[in-house]
Amino acid sequence: DAKTTQPTSMDCAEGRAANLPCNHSTISGNEYVYWYRQIHSQGPQYIIHGLKNNETNEMASLIITEDRKSSTLILPHATLRDTAVYYCIVRVYRETSGSRLTFGEGTQLTVNP
Amino acid sequence: EAQVTQNPRYLITVTGKKLTVTCSQNMNHEYMSWYRQDPGLGLRQIYYSMNVEVTDKGDVPEGYKVSRKEKRNFPLILESPSPNQTSLYFCASSQGEGTPASTDTQYFGPGTRLTVL
Repeated sequence: DAKTTQPTSMDCAEGRAANLPCNHSTISGNEYVYWYRQIHSQGPQYIIHGLKNNETNEMASLIITEDRKSSTLILPHATLRDTAVYYCIVRVYRETSGSRLTFGEGTQLTVNP
Repeated sequence: EAQVTQNPRYLITVTGKKLTVTCSQNMNHEYMSWYRQDPGLGLRQIYYSMNVEVTDKGDVPEGYKVSRKEKRNFPLILESPSPNQTSLYFCASSQGEGTPASTDTQYFGPGTRLTVL
């Protein structure tokens, strides 16, 4: 299964863009990149996902490099409520078991006032 | 409101005393899953179910049982809990994860914090 590598922690000033990097150099051609976040031991919350193209929704933007070996999650105007652990996940699909999300340790993003 | 509910939210018990953590979703989702979260180990999948009466082991199934008798419910059973099962447990559901192109996202419950003494 493709592994992801994320920085352990990052800081961001309130109102500025938060750019969270993720490396997934062993990703396969049909595997999606997902981002979830977890605020203080609550249930993880879906943010965004993508395959090849850049994606944007009301929460964030996802930039995937052309070789798909890395991606960046962008929170355009971070607020204090965006302080959370952010997980970058490669979604693995198997015929016998469907898809799996394997969570790593994630990046602790702290948004400072 | 679409949601995944878990009960109880907090539980302190003793070694060997059987317990059940319930999970229910109101979104008619086919896929349900249980995770445990421990410091330094992230979220690890315990069991999952792709549909009614279909369950399978995840990464850390030892010491746990599940059942899926109806679509909305997926209880987690600890027949003889031990202290190493002290953890934060999450239930999740999604519409379907059964095809390569499926990109359904998983909705997580609020978590159950279990302490086994």
